[in-house]
Amino acid sequence: GAGVSQSPSNKVTEKGKDVELRCDPISGHTALYWYRQSLGQGLEFLIYFQGNSAPDKSGLPSDRFSAERTGGSVSTLTIQRTQQEDSAVYLCASSFDRANYGYTFGSGTRLTVV
Amino acid sequence: AQSVTQLDSQVPVFEEAPVELRCNYSSSVSVYLFWYVQYPNQGLQLLLKYLSGSTLVKGINGFEAEFNKSQTSFHLRKPSVHISDTAEYFCAVSANSGGSNYKLTFGKGTLLTVNP
Repeated sequence: GAGVSQSPSNKVTEKGKDVELRCDPISGHTALYWYRQSLGQGLEFLIYFQGNSAPDKSGLPSDRFSAERTGGSVSTLTIQRTQQEDSAVYLCASSFDRANYGYTFGSGTRLTVV
Repeated sequence: AQSVTQLDSQVPVFEEAPVELRCNYSSSVSVYLFWYVQYPNQGLQLLLKYLSGSTLVKGINGFEAEFNKSQTSFHLRKPSVHISDTAEYFCAVSANSGGSNYKLTFGKGTLLTVNP
């Protein structure tokens, strides 16, 4: 597609429920990234995909967080047993291979855990 | 590993005034540098980037930035701002070689507010 598409744009969930966030990157972009943006905290790296592999998942904050990418395209970030501290904007980005090409970001999913 | 410090969390200015948003970085290897802008309820948009060559980089919307290796800085400037420049601005760095040159590390952002 023309840009990086994320869905849903907003998600309100009850504490303890599981959520899935979806990212559809730009066609042909081999690299895909998930970041989390919290108030006053800037952007926190979560995970990096190259194709369907995730060579760097060092930013996932706990084992409740997981992500996968299929067909070198769509990625899903899953948060199990959500907690209030998971409330944030989750941003997905894609790029050609490496950071020097610059990332293209989606508009994000605003997650609110109540 | 790399880190980024944006020295001002908020910068208020009047319309048509010049502005400078400050960014300093730390890295043990050579770097690429980026500035992104985020308008309310939107994702981040690339303003400009420094990869190599001329240390003065021009970007979109009349912004420019200068890479200063000795001061490890990459400050963003605009000679005359508009109301529409009101947004949050993020400086970012990546290694330019080696195994971690896929990852952008971001500063915490500077909220630029342009007042009439």
